[in-house]
Amino acid sequence: DVKVTQSSRYLVKRTGEKVFLECVQDMDHENMFWYRQDPGLGLRLIYFSYDVKMKEKGDIPEGYSVSREKKERFSLILESASTNQTSMYLCASSLSPGREGNIQYFGAGTRLSVL
Amino acid sequence: SQQGEEDPQALSIQEGENATMNCSYKTSINNLQWYRQNSGRGLVHLILIRSNEREKHSGRLRVTLDTSKKSSSLLITASRAADTASYFCAPVGYQKVTFGIGTKLQVIP
Repeated sequence: DVKVTQSSRYLVKRTGEKVFLECVQDMDHENMFWYRQDPGLGLRLIYFSYDVKMKEKGDIPEGYSVSREKKERFSLILESASTNQTSMYLCASSLSPGREGNIQYFGAGTRLSVL
Repeated sequence: SQQGEEDPQALSIQEGENATMNCSYKTSINNLQWYRQNSGRGLVHLILIRSNEREKHSGRLRVTLDTSKKSSSLLITASRAADTASYFCAPVGYQKVTFGIGTKLQVIP
């Protein structure tokens, strides 16, 4: 079974802090994704990556950056956390387009509170 | 983007009844997927239907796809309390998959 592991289930940070959310997958997937999920807004794509050291902006990249130094690890960075970044963050991975129909495998999520 | 829109946004049924959720989308697709999310957890893939398929079954799940109407439906038969969750459709083009707000299903024991 594919396993996508997010480093923390719950995080509490202060405004202005630099925050790292880590995600690791164990199935050699090429693609990795970061979403945030807010009530009434569904899942919104922040960034995604199709290969090591590659990144693409999603729909709401402002205030975030990402790092993919190794194929299995995709990190989301909040350079200076703000209260409006309080949310549930979900990481996902998938095989390359055309393989397995782009089925995404999700981690359990990190609920981040910025105070 | 390929965002799907689920309807209804919330659904409450009695255990044993069938639950039907609908999805509409705007652009052409390679396939359409349905996912489930238990409260406070990540999404789990349920079923994939390809653009050249009209219907697919998996256990108590039945998915239909009408590409001419750009719509899909998910039917859960003989629902159980454990089916209580949010359900998302995901129309898939080439690379990016965009999820909607989902349908929140409550199955009352």
